[in-house]
Amino acid sequence: AQTVTQSQPEMSVQEAETVTLSCTYDTSENNYYLFWYKQPPSRQMILVIRQEAYKQQNATENRFSVNFQKAAKSFSLKISDSQLGDTAMYFCAFMIGNTPLVFGKGTRLSVIA
Amino acid sequence: NAGVTQTPKFRVLKTGQSMTLLCAQDMNHEYMYWYRQDPGMGLRLIHYSVGEGTTAKGEVPDGYNVSRLKKQNFLLGLESAAPSQTSVYFCASSYAGTGRSGANVLTFGAGSRLTVL
Repeated sequence: AQTVTQSQPEMSVQEAETVTLSCTYDTSENNYYLFWYKQPPSRQMILVIRQEAYKQQNATENRFSVNFQKAAKSFSLKISDSQLGDTAMYFCAFMIGNTPLVFGKGTRLSVIA
Repeated sequence: NAGVTQTPKFRVLKTGQSMTLLCAQDMNHEYMYWYRQDPGMGLRLIHYSVGEGTTAKGEVPDGYNVSRLKKQNFLLGLESAAPSQTSVYFCASSYAGTGRSGANVLTFGAGSRLTVL
C-alpha cells in the first residue's frame, strides 16, 4: 500500500522568512503524481502545487516551490517570504495513475508576525 | 460556478440514528470521493466512485454506504451512527484519465462536521 509520511506535526516561521515542510512517500510505481494541499482555518482544502513524477523539473507556484527527489522518494515544500495568510495545515498527498489520493497526516504551520 | 457542494454543513446525531450526506458537483467530473478528517490522522478515504452506478471501498469503509445514481451526485449514508463516526467529512471530485488538463486534481467541498453523541 502507498504511504505518505510527514514527519513534522507542527512548525512555525517568522513572517517574511523561508520554511520547508518535509514529505516522504513509498511506492514501487513509476507513474505517479504528488501534491501539496493547504487547509486554512476555514477548513477549505486548497491545492498549492502539483508535480508529475516523470518530470525532473521541480514545480513552482509563486512563493511555493518543491524539492522533488525521486530516488529518495522525497517531496518537500518550500514557502518563501512567508505571510500570515500561509498559516494553515499542509497536507502532502500522492496518487498513482487514476487511483484515489492518499494523504499524509499533515503539518500545522504557524506564521508569526 | 458552485464546484462541489456538500449538505448539510453541520449535524448532530444520537447514537443509532441514520443520516445521509449529499455531495453535488457541477463540473461533469467522472470521479467522486468521500474522505473523513480526524485530528492527527489526515484525510482517509471512505468510499469512491469512478462513474455513475459504480462505487468502491476505500481505507475506512465500515459503517458507511454510498450511492452514485447520477453522475453529479454522490451520497454517503450512515445507517446506525456511532460516536467513532464523529468527524469532518469531505467530498471531492476530479476528471478521469491522466492526459486531460486538470486530471488528477481534486476539487473539494467545504466539509461537513458530524457529531455523534
